[in-house]
Amino acid sequence: GENVEQHPSTLSVQEGDSAVIKCTYSDSASNYFPWYKQELGKRPQLIIDIRSNVGEKKDQRIAVTLNKTAKHFSLHITETQPEDSAVYFCAASLGGYQKVTFGTGTKLQVIP
Amino acid sequence: DAGVIQSPRHEVTEMGQEVTLRCKPISGHNSLFWYRQTMMRGLELLIYFNNNVPIDDSGMPEDRFSAKMPNASFSTLKIQPSEPRDSAVYFCASSPRGAGNTEAFFGQGTRLTVV
Repeated sequence: GENVEQHPSTLSVQEGDSAVIKCTYSDSASNYFPWYKQELGKRPQLIIDIRSNVGEKKDQRIAVTLNKTAKHFSLHITETQPEDSAVYFCAASLGGYQKVTFGTGTKLQVIP
Repeated sequence: DAGVIQSPRHEVTEMGQEVTLRCKPISGHNSLFWYRQTMMRGLELLIYFNNNVPIDDSGMPEDRFSAKMPNASFSTLKIQPSEPRDSAVYFCASSPRGAGNTEAFFGQGTRLTVV
């Protein structure tokens, strides 16, 4: 089955700096890659997703890139703010009604 | 819509007792998922249903765990007998067209502590 690896496990950045989280996946047929943010004590919530027919997607300060050849995808957060502090999960799926496999999470701390 | 509703929010039980976690998905969503979250293992998919039918239960750790979805608006995850290593946060999530191509909406979770 699909295996998703995520790095780093923890990340500290100064407010205003950029943060990058990287993930790799094992199944070349995977075609849907969502990212979830989980604040302390709360539920995971989708922040952005990308499909395999797109190489990059942006939403304000958040962007995701996908390299299908290398089977890796990354989350980029620019101009980080304290409210960006949370655990971020990448995930991969074969699409449709196939299951979503999550990475192990990255705890991001933005230092004011 | 109030979102995915889970109950109870917190459960403390003694080892050996039966535990039942409940979930009400968002109306109209036809996919439902049960996840377990721990510090060591992250978010693990236990089982998921499409149109009330279990599709993949390969994540269910052992026979002590069972899940049902008797209708489109209700699901349960049961642990019998419970063990301390089952202590975790259990999330239920639902999706309108399968989580493989669209957002999965998570409930608030049930924090289970087995002593």
